[in-house]
Amino acid sequence: KAGVTQTPRYLIKTRGQQVTLSCSPISGHRSVSWYQQTPGQGLQFLFEYFSETQRNKGNFPGRFSGRQFSNSRSEMNVSTLELGDSALYLCASSDLAGGDPDTQYFGPGTRLTVL
Amino acid sequence: AQSVTQLGSHVSVSEGALVLLRCNYSSSVPPYLFWYVQYPNQGLQLLLKYTSAATLVKGINGFEAEFKKSETSFHLTKPSAHMSDAAEYFCAVTRSTGFQKLVFGTGTRLLVSP
Repeated sequence: KAGVTQTPRYLIKTRGQQVTLSCSPISGHRSVSWYQQTPGQGLQFLFEYFSETQRNKGNFPGRFSGRQFSNSRSEMNVSTLELGDSALYLCASSDLAGGDPDTQYFGPGTRLTVL
Repeated sequence: AQSVTQLGSHVSVSEGALVLLRCNYSSSVPPYLFWYVQYPNQGLQLLLKYTSAATLVKGINGFEAEFKKSETSFHLTKPSAHMSDAAEYFCAVTRSTGFQKLVFGTGTRLLVSP
């Protein structure tokens, strides 16, 4: 099976703009989680979607939002970008309905730079 | 609330030496614990996980970890380091099976010298 894919891999935006990142999970996986990784704050959980519903949410402002489509693909959106939003955004999928609900498979990430 | 603490942001070993990366957890409920590895410009890869079964957990690439409740620890070890083990390692915790919100430690960068 193909792994988790994320597009684009690299993105440069300016302050005040908005951005949309995309994640395609492993085929058959219906849970998709998003994490932000920065040198200062480390890896932080953003949110998780399962069957198009947000199941869990981290402590991020409302500028960060996401959604999941019926084919389990997920997008996250960041509005009114700030310099501090520069980070590696990682997506992970898991097979909650299958025999291994505790393993999250991570994509390579999208590197967002805000100028 | 749950948290993990990784002691040592950098650990240096020689090739062939024992690798020991430390992780201590804090959890009000029985934890589910994980070790992930991240190579440069890549995502995270699961090395091993503890999900309340055997306390000694064997993972990929010769790594293992032992869950010690009395010490609230889940240290990662490998008997003999290889150059390819050089990477950043993250310990993570969650509160129950299937609960996808992982809380990560700050990471330990493993350096392996020839």
